[in-house]
Amino acid sequence: EAEVAQSPRYKITEKSQAVAFWCDPISGHATLYWYRQILGQGPELLVQFQDESVVDDSQLPKDRFSAERLKGVDSTLKIQPAELGDSAMYLCASSLGSGPSYEQYFGPGTRLTVT
Amino acid sequence: AQSVTQPDIHITVSEGASLELRCNYSYGATPYLFWYVQSPGQGLQLLLKYFSGDTLVQGIKGFEAEFKRSQSSFNLRKPSVHWSDAAEYFCAVGGGGADGLTFGKGTHLIIQP
Repeated sequence: EAEVAQSPRYKITEKSQAVAFWCDPISGHATLYWYRQILGQGPELLVQFQDESVVDDSQLPKDRFSAERLKGVDSTLKIQPAELGDSAMYLCASSLGSGPSYEQYFGPGTRLTVT
Repeated sequence: AQSVTQPDIHITVSEGASLELRCNYSYGATPYLFWYVQSPGQGLQLLLKYFSGDTLVQGIKGFEAEFKRSQSSFNLRKPSVHWSDAAEYFCAVGGGGADGLTFGKGTHLIIQP
């Protein structure tokens, strides 16, 4: 069964450093989402891609976060500089199309700890 | 803006007993509603979803949920829980022009032997 891949699974970084996460969606899935899940909370959407284009980045802290999906396949989420409050699980999800009627498939996540 | 409330942070149930997890949503129109389960070290897995039609929906792993518009609720139920059901459960709502989902804070389910 096809799965969403994410790496690394765990990342520890010092504040003010740069960090990057990678996501490889299920093959053929045009829509890709990045969510952030703070401990004890539900996931919150950061950014949505449709193919290589950003559809929604209204909740992305653009002063320090950036995301790209250059060829419309895999995606990278970057934080520079990292802050203590960025410690969280970063989840990637993909779906065949955009809209809530399309099931979102989630990867295992990258757990970030900022020290 | 849409929102989801899961009133119970933790629930403890004995193995074999029935389960109900509560979810209330705030949304202007008919919502798209979801229940996801998250086990330690795992991503979110979709249990079931409601878009329209029959208000009682069946999902995987023996779970079901009932949409009640009058109560703005979408509670998750299972007649008999197994130790493997111990996990974090999230209710989510979608729609309203946004494709991303809005999640509740989750309910941590503990199964007693």
